Amino acid sequence: SSELTQDPTVSVALGQTVRITCQGDSLRTYHATWYQQRPGQAPILVIYDKNNRPSGIPDRFSGSSSGNTASLTITGALAEDEADYYCSSRDTSGNHVVVFGGGTKVTVL
Amino acid sequence: QVQLQESGPGLVKPSETLSLTCSVSDGSISNYYWNWIRQSPGKGLEWIGYIYYSGSTSYNPSLKTRVTISIDTSKNQFSLKLSSVTAADTAVYYCARGTQFCSGGGCYPFFDYWDQGSLVTVSS
Repeated sequence: SSELTQDPTVSVALGQTVRITCQGDSLRTYHATWYQQRPGQAPILVIYDKNNRPSGIPDRFSGSSSGNTASLTITGALAEDEADYYCSSRDTSGNHVVVFGGGTKVTVL
Repeated sequence: QVQLQESGPGLVKPSETLSLTCSVSDGSISNYYWNWIRQSPGKGLEWIGYIYYSGSTSYNPSLKTRVTISIDTSKNQFSLKLSSVTAADTAVYYCARGTQFCSGGGCYPFFDYWDQGSLVTVSS
């Protein structure tokens, strides 16, 4: 399957923890990648290979996975974390094809 | 710090070919996957395809019959051509560098550098 499913919206109180999930058959095989997109900006990479952060990404962002579900957790959410978050993986069709989830809008209350 | 800069027309007529070029500076084009990704207004991200520096390509199956991605390593540039466009192709187009990583089941690239994006409108 090439489909990755995300909840459209999630909200979190300032300073609290939020988990964003991504489901898909390909996640049983491939580790997820996560991107953050603030309004009007290009996406930025926040997690790759399940739980690796690029330099400059705060350690309040972490990734995990179990079975067909990958998760991005923001521990101690800040106002600046309000954004759209997209998961990504490789398609399981056998072709070298990249797929994105539909995105989750995170609102920090 | 790698920088990517797109160029190309912001308005394309229906049935014509959309052409964009991405210039890569402050970094080597070798050993990376060079990608095009788009985002229709108010929608999510859609991967269009990539070209490896050696010239091998992979395309989104839903766009494969209309897409060509090419590379000019001497100019540190890669390009996108999307033929027979319709209003549904109106989107912000991004170019991005892909760095491959391998997990248990295989390998695929993550996108670690993006340009700022360019809105392309398909309209007569």
